[in-house]
Amino acid sequence: KQEVTQIPAALSVPEGENLVLNCSFTDSAIYNLQWFRQDPGKGLTSLLLIQSSQREQTSGRLNASLDKSSGRSTLYIAASQPGDSATYLCAVRTGTSYDKVIFGPGTSLSVIP
Amino acid sequence: NAGVTQTPKFRVLKTGQSMTLLCAQDMNHEYMYWYRQDPGMGLRLIHYSVGEGTTAKGEVPDGYNVSRLKKQNFLLGLESAAPSQTSVYFCASSYLGSVNTGELFFGEGSRLTVL
Repeated sequence: KQEVTQIPAALSVPEGENLVLNCSFTDSAIYNLQWFRQDPGKGLTSLLLIQSSQREQTSGRLNASLDKSSGRSTLYIAASQPGDSATYLCAVRTGTSYDKVIFGPGTSLSVIP
Repeated sequence: NAGVTQTPKFRVLKTGQSMTLLCAQDMNHEYMYWYRQDPGMGLRLIHYSVGEGTTAKGEVPDGYNVSRLKKQNFLLGLESAAPSQTSVYFCASSYLGSVNTGELFFGEGSRLTVL
């Protein structure tokens, strides 16, 4: 059974700092991994999608890496801003036919001005 | 292009009542999913479908039923609502093929309260 964990559960950093969020999964047989952002009381916004054959993806100040063999992904946020404050969730596409998408519990990020 | 649309957005039920949440997507996606989100627990998969006429159980299927009679619609039903089903429900869809990347697209969520 695929299990997804995220460390830390919560993180508070001063504005301008670079930071790393971690996502781990127990079964390396994944199709892809997707990072989302969720603001309080809102829906999910897709940030980055990494295919199983890829090592990393970049979008602006965000960089996501994937090490499938070790079951790990990291989301790197450069020069953090107060507007980055949100919950960040990772999700892996998994299952016998890659039909399931399982989420981690999320990391709550607070960027202090 | 509306993407993924959920109705209703909000609903209050009494224990024992029944209701149906509707998810509609206009992207011709094969795969559709229902999740519930509770504080501090991320999203948990309730049921999913890999095509019209097919459904499968996810991580927390008990107390819910689903149907996929049309490719664009995925219905989530609660036959006898319980307070433990108070949650925010999200629907998502994706396409998985040789070209597409399997990206997941979400609706805005439906907030359900069971008294």
